[in-house]
Amino acid sequence: GENVEQHPSTLSVQEGDSAVIKCTYSDSASNYFPWYKQELGKRPQLIIDIRSNVGEKKDQRIAVTLNKTAKHFSLHITETQPEDSAVYFCAAYNNNDMRFGAGTRLTVKP
Amino acid sequence: EAQVTQNPRYLITVTGKKLTVTCSQNMNHEYMSWYRQDPGLGLRQIYYSMNVEVTDKGDVPEGYKVSRKEKRNFPLILESPSPNQTSLYFCASSFSQGAYEQYFGPGTRLTVT
Repeated sequence: GENVEQHPSTLSVQEGDSAVIKCTYSDSASNYFPWYKQELGKRPQLIIDIRSNVGEKKDQRIAVTLNKTAKHFSLHITETQPEDSAVYFCAAYNNNDMRFGAGTRLTVKP
Repeated sequence: EAQVTQNPRYLITVTGKKLTVTCSQNMNHEYMSWYRQDPGLGLRQIYYSMNVEVTDKGDVPEGYKVSRKEKRNFPLILESPSPNQTSLYFCASSFSQGAYEQYFGPGTRLTVT
């Protein structure tokens, strides 16, 4: 089955800096790659997603890139703010099977 | 308001005592899923359902059962809970086949002693 690895496990940045989180997947048939944000004590919520026929997608300060050949995708957050502090999960989906990475705890220092 | 609800939110039980965690969604979603979240392991899929009466195993189905008799409900059943099932459980639903945004419930924190 699919295996998703996510790095780093923790990330600390200064407010205003950029943050990058990377994920790799093993199954080349995976075709949908969402990113979820989970604030402390809350449920995960989708922040951005990308499908396998697209290489990059952007939504304001958040962007995701996908490299199908290398089987990796990344989340980019620019101009980070303290409210971006949370745990971020990547996931890869194929044939009804959704596999999540282990998560990255992002801390944005004011 | 579109939402996914779970009950109970917190549960402490003893080994072997059968329990059910309910999940309900009001968005007419076809796809529903159960996950468990453990520190350092992310979210792992337990079971999913494509539609009424259609369920299948996820990544970690051992020790769990599900049913989908109605489109809106997808209960998770632990016939004989064990301490290694102590975890945070999330139900989620999405429009179709899971390759769309999943809407998560608020979570159920289960402790099995």
